[in-house]
Amino acid sequence: AQKVTQAQTEISVVEKEDVTLDCVYETRDTTYYLFWYKQPPSGELVFLIRRNSFDEQNEISGRYSWNFQKSTSSFNFTITASQVVDSAVYFCAPWMNAGNMLTFGGGTRLMVKP
Amino acid sequence: GAGVSQTPSNKVTEKGKYVELRCDPISGHTALYWYRQSLGQGPEFLIYFQGTGAADDSGLPNDRFFAVRPEGSVSTLKIQRTERGDSAVYLCASSRDLNSPLHFGNGTRLTVT
Repeated sequence: AQKVTQAQTEISVVEKEDVTLDCVYETRDTTYYLFWYKQPPSGELVFLIRRNSFDEQNEISGRYSWNFQKSTSSFNFTITASQVVDSAVYFCAPWMNAGNMLTFGGGTRLMVKP
Repeated sequence: GAGVSQTPSNKVTEKGKYVELRCDPISGHTALYWYRQSLGQGPEFLIYFQGTGAADDSGLPNDRFFAVRPEGSVSTLKIQRTERGDSAVYLCASSRDLNSPLHFGNGTRLTVT
């Protein structure tokens, strides 16, 4: 069975602060994918990133960056210079080959105050 | 292009009634998924289709839940004898193929009174 832990249920920051959302997963697979999704108050789930377990290079996309550490089974997400529009629930979701599906964590609710 | 479309957006039904929830995936996407999201929780997997067949229905909570995708495109999730505990947002997603990102619809909010 696979398990995803997003230990931070809620984070509150002030605009322009940097914030890191943690994700730890369990897997027996040697190859897998990792995803992050954003769910703003409107409710739709928005795809942010997919990483292959073979590629441990950190990735940066604008104000977003991801730190993948295979040795500790973590895939953390950092937002630099947060903005009010970043307020949402963020989900980490591993894709394991055995299941052919995304398994979502409980999510981290990020509140960015002006 | 058009995204994943789910209808209705909201459904209120009485306990014991039958409901159908519809999902129109992105054109050309072969994989289709149903998830259920309760308040304050992450989406939970229900079932996925590869083409017309249900490749994995291990997430369906019991035999009151059933889903079909007869022509490999539109899918319908069917719930019989609804219970108050079935109240949740039902999310549909499609992907071009396995391992590709899932594109989610806006969901159907089901309320069983």
